[in-house]
Amino acid sequence: EAGVAQSPRYKIIEKRQSVAFWCNPISGHATLYWYQQILGQGPKLLIQFQNNGVVDDSQLPKDRFSAERLKGVDSTLKIQPAKLEDSAVYLCASSLEPSGVSLDFGPGTRLTVL
Amino acid sequence: AQKVTQAQTEISVVEKEDVTLDCVYETRDTTYYLFWYKQPPSGELVFLIRRNSFDEQNEISGRYSWNFQKSTSSFNFTITASQVVDSAVYFCALSEGGGSARQLTFGSGTQLTVLP
Repeated sequence: EAGVAQSPRYKIIEKRQSVAFWCNPISGHATLYWYQQILGQGPKLLIQFQNNGVVDDSQLPKDRFSAERLKGVDSTLKIQPAKLEDSAVYLCASSLEPSGVSLDFGPGTRLTVL
Repeated sequence: AQKVTQAQTEISVVEKEDVTLDCVYETRDTTYYLFWYKQPPSGELVFLIRRNSFDEQNEISGRYSWNFQKSTSSFNFTITASQVVDSAVYFCALSEGGGSARQLTFGSGTQLTVLP
C-alpha cells in the first residue's frame, strides 16, 4: 500500500512570495490533516478535512493560509504572502476513520522563507 | 485544554544502555488516546504505539516498553539496550474530544542520541 505522498519535499522562497504544497493521502482515507512543525517543536494542527469538508481550521492563519480538498482526495495548502516565521516542515496525514486515532504521516515539505 | 509535556529536550546515551523518555499529559476528558511517534533524520513521523485511557496495562514490544500511569498522568517510554539506529526525535501525543473533531496534540519532543 502506497503511503501519503507530498510534494515538493523542499522549497525555498523569499518573504512575501506565494507557495503551494500538495498532498495525496492513502487511498480510501477520508480524513486528511495538515500539520505545521517549526524547528524544535512538535507538529501543530492547521486544518482537518473529512472528505472535502473542513472539520477544524481553528488554528489556520486564514489571513495568509488557505487549504482545499477538491473531490475529497488530494489536498493543497497555500501560503500567500509568506513570512519568515512560516519556515517549517508542513506535514500531511491521513486517516481511514474520522476519530483520528490512527494517522499515517507523509514525509513533509520543508519550507524555508528568506 | 489538552497539553503534553516532554521535559527532556535532549538525551545522550552510549549504545546498549537503557533509556527512558518521559511524557506527562493534561486532559479533562475521561476518554482519550496517548501515542508515541519516532521522527528519524529523514523527517517522517513513524507511529510506535497507541494507548486508550481505559487500558493501563504496560506494553512491551521487543526492546521497547511503555508505562502508562493515570494516577500521575504519565506515559513513559523505555528503550532497552539502545542502538545507534534508535537515534531520533521522539514525540508523545494526546488525542481527546469526541466525534470527528478529535485531533492530536504533540509534546515538544525529546532528541535521543545513541553513541556507538
